[in-house]
Order: sequence, then structure tokens, then C-alpha cells
Amino acid sequence: DIVMTQFPDSLAVSLGERATINCKSSRSILYSSNNKNYLAWYQQKPGQPPKLLISWASTREAGVPDRFSGSGSGTDFTLTISSLQAEDVAVYYCQQYYNTPENSFGQGTKLEIK
Amino acid sequence: QVQLVESGGGLVKPGGSLRLSCAASGFTFSDYHISWIRQAPGKGLEWVSYISGSGATFLYADSVMGRFTISRDNSKNSVYLQMKSLRVEDTAVYYCARGEYCSSNSCAGDYWGQGTLVTVSS
Repeated sequence: DIVMTQFPDSLAVSLGERATINCKSSRSILYSSNNKNYLAWYQQKPGQPPKLLISWASTREAGVPDRFSGSGSGTDFTLTISSLQAEDVAVYYCQQYYNTPENSFGQGTKLEIK
Repeated sequence: QVQLVESGGGLVKPGGSLRLSCAASGFTFSDYHISWIRQAPGKGLEWVSYISGSGATFLYADSVMGRFTISRDNSKNSVYLQMKSLRVEDTAVYYCARGEYCSSNSCAGDYWGQGTLVTVSS
């Protein structure tokens, strides 16, 4: 199984500042035949289901604000919120969908306002 | 619009059974793989099971293998999760999710239901 590890576990950022969440996979999730990284980012607010923000490591879903961006390749990935808004307080998860879904989610990163 | 609605959760004693349903609407159901993902209280997301659009392929997490069975009825736009021999550690909110971005056996879910709570307790 591929193990996904996020860091930090929690993060406090001031409003308007940049927030960066990292995700590392235990082996590459870059598929060489199509040059795509099989990595998704989700946002989960209390009492709500997860919301898909980014697929293929860097493709924003429709309607997701452009302050959210994803980057990285191979085994190391980053979710960046360029200017933190109050409504961005949530837990963020990365997920690999490269192969078997067992243990496919990271443990989550809790983002709070400083 | 795309909707997924889970039902069937509740309180059950250890060793008991439940059948969860996920009713879908707003898209061509048979074109999409569906996954069940659960979240224990205060914990992270755990993938549980996956079924392909045709129903021919299905996968289970090791933690539920042999106890849970996933199925789908494309004529009813529904996916089911039959759960037996339930354990206290199966207590969680169970979500179904539509697989939009997939590899051969795994997907990222672009639409999720609101979830149904399963509580296993004596």
C-alpha cells in the first residue's frame, strides 16, 4: 500500500496570510504513461462531508476560489492557500488514487486562524 | 444536479448487521464508480469499499473484508453496503462518493453524500 503522510498535523495562520500544507506519499504516484499525479485535496468543515478542491495534484475543481492551489509531483505535494479567509478554517486531506485505495488518505491537517 | 443520499444507519449491537444505501440522482449512474468512505468520531477519513460502474469489480479494506459486501443496482441508481459481524470500531459516519477521477481501481470523489451514522454499541 501507498502511505500518505501530511504535515503539519495542525496549522494556525493569520487572516490574509499564506497557508501551506504538505503531503508525502511513500512512493511515486506519478503515472509515467500520461504524466499525471494521482493526488487529490479535500476540505472538510465541521458537520459536513469532504469537498474536493483539487485533482491531479494541481487542477482546481469548478467553483473553488483561485487562492487554493496545488503543486508537486512524484512523492511530494503541497496545498497552498494564498490569502487565508475565515471560511477556510477546516481540516484538509490529501488522497492518492494511483492504486489500491487502502490507506489512501492522509491523516488530515487542521487549519485555524491565528 | 448531482446528489448522493445515504440511508440505513443506526444503532446496532456488536455482532449485528446493517444495510446502508446510497441513492444517486442527476447523472448517468452506471458510468461512475462509487466508493464508501467512513469517518469515526473525531478521526480522519478511511476508505471502506469500492464498486465499479458495471458492478463487476469491487474492493474492500482489510478491516472490513469478509464482513462487508458492496453491491449496486443500476436500474435503481443505488449502491448498497451490507455490513455484518459489526464491531465497536465500525462506529463512524459512512459516506458514499462518486468517483470522477480514477485509476484502474481507485478514485477521487467529486460528489459526496451527507453521510449516515452507524453506531455499534451494547
